[in-house]
Amino acid sequence: EVQLLESGGGLVQPGGSLRLSCAASGFTLNTYAMSWVRQAPGKGLEWVSGIGGISDDTYYADSVKGRFTISRDNSKNTLYVQMNSLRVEDTAVYYCARRSVAGRYFDYWGQGALVTVSS
Amino acid sequence: QSALTQPASVSGSPGQSITISCTGSSSDVGAYNYVSWYQQHPGKAPKLMIYEVSHRPSGVSNRFSGSKSGNTASLTISGLQAEDEGDYYCSSYTGSSRLIYVFGTGTKVSVL
Repeated sequence: EVQLLESGGGLVQPGGSLRLSCAASGFTLNTYAMSWVRQAPGKGLEWVSGIGGISDDTYYADSVKGRFTISRDNSKNTLYVQMNSLRVEDTAVYYCARRSVAGRYFDYWGQGALVTVSS
Repeated sequence: QSALTQPASVSGSPGQSITISCTGSSSDVGAYNYVSWYQQHPGKAPKLMIYEVSHRPSGVSNRFSGSKSGNTASLTISGLQAEDEGDYYCSSYTGSSRLIYVFGTGTKVSVL
C-alpha cells in the first residue's frame, strides 16, 4: 500500500528555517517524480516545488525560489524540503504528492504538515 | 501565471447533476490534456477524482466525469450524494519549469 507521511511542521519566526520530511512506503521514491503542494489556511492549493523521477532535476515556484530546496534520500525513501528565510505568507499545510508514472497528475498525497510562520 | 478560475460554490439536491467549470488559458488548460480534478474534505488531503481531462482512477465512482473545451475544463457530478460535499480543485500541467502545475481557485460543493 502506498503511503506518504509528512513530519517536521511547527511554529517558526519570520526569517527562520524548517525542514519537512515525507517518508514514503509501498513504492521506491526515486522512480517517481514528487512535489510539495501547500494550502494556506482557508485558501486553495498551490504547487511549490518538484523533483524529477529518474533524474534529480528540481523545480520551484517563483514564490519560493531561492528560499526552498527540495531533495530526497533514496536510502531512507524520504523526500525533504528545506525552507529558509520563511515569511508569514509561507504559513500553510504542506503536502507531499506523488506524480503518477503514467501522467502529469498526483495520484497519492500525504496527510499534510502544518507550518506556521509568526512572531 | 494565475490560478485557474473556478466558481466559488455550486450546490444541488440529492440525485441532481452539477457541473464545475475550470477556466485557464492557452498556456495551460488549452495547451495540454493534463487536467486533473481533486476532491478535498475538511482537514483531509486532496483525492484524485479525474486525470487527463476525463479518465477516472480505479475506485472513483462513475458518477464523476470530466471534459474540456478550449481553455475550459469541466467536472460533472451526476446523481449527487451527501458524501460528495466538499471542496473540488482542478489542476493543469503548464510545461513551465517555474510553475509546473497550476491549481484552480477551488469550488465548494454543497448538497442541499
